[in-house]
Amino acid sequence: KQEVTQIPAALSVPEGENLVLNCSFTDSAIYNLQWFRQDPGKGLTSLLLIQSSQREQTSGRLNASLDKSSGRSTLYIAASQPGDSATYLCAVCSNTGKLIFGQGTTLQVKP
Amino acid sequence: DTGVSQNPRHKITKRGQNVTFRCDPISEHNRLYWYRQTLGQGPEFLTYFQNEAQLEKSRLLSDRFSAERPKGSFSTLEIQRTEQGDSAMYLCASSLTGGANEQFFGPGTRLTVL
Repeated sequence: KQEVTQIPAALSVPEGENLVLNCSFTDSAIYNLQWFRQDPGKGLTSLLLIQSSQREQTSGRLNASLDKSSGRSTLYIAASQPGDSATYLCAVCSNTGKLIFGQGTTLQVKP
Repeated sequence: DTGVSQNPRHKITKRGQNVTFRCDPISEHNRLYWYRQTLGQGPEFLTYFQNEAQLEKSRLLSDRFSAERPKGSFSTLEIQRTEQGDSAMYLCASSLTGGANEQFFGPGTRLTVL
């Protein structure tokens, strides 16, 4: 059974810091991996998708990496801003298409 | 706006009542997914459709839950005889089949069972 774990559960940093969020999964047979952002009481916004054959994806200040063999992904946020404060969710996609999520990392960026 | 939409956004009901939620996916997407998210947890998969066919159901989806996608466009999720444990955010997502298979989520329906 696929299990996804995110560490840390919560993170507080001062504005301007670079930070790394971690995601690990137990079964390397994944189709792809997605990182999402969720603001309180809202739906999910897709940030980055990495196909199983890829190593990383970049969008603006965000960079996500994938190491299937070790069952790990990281989301790197450069020069954090207060507007980055949210919960970040990692999800692995099985070959049937369903997503299996971690519990999320709640990020607070202090001005 | 051409994103995924869900209605209603909020629903408060009394225990034992039936509720129905609607999801309208992105128009060209043939896959539609339902997830449930409780406070402080990541979303959990409930079921998904490819066009009008329901291809997989989680064991979380008890016999009080039923989902339909009659014409392969919008979908409904009905919960009968609601219980307090059904209180959660119900999220809908859609995607194309194959390829990147990126899922796009709607804003969710927040259900509170009193």
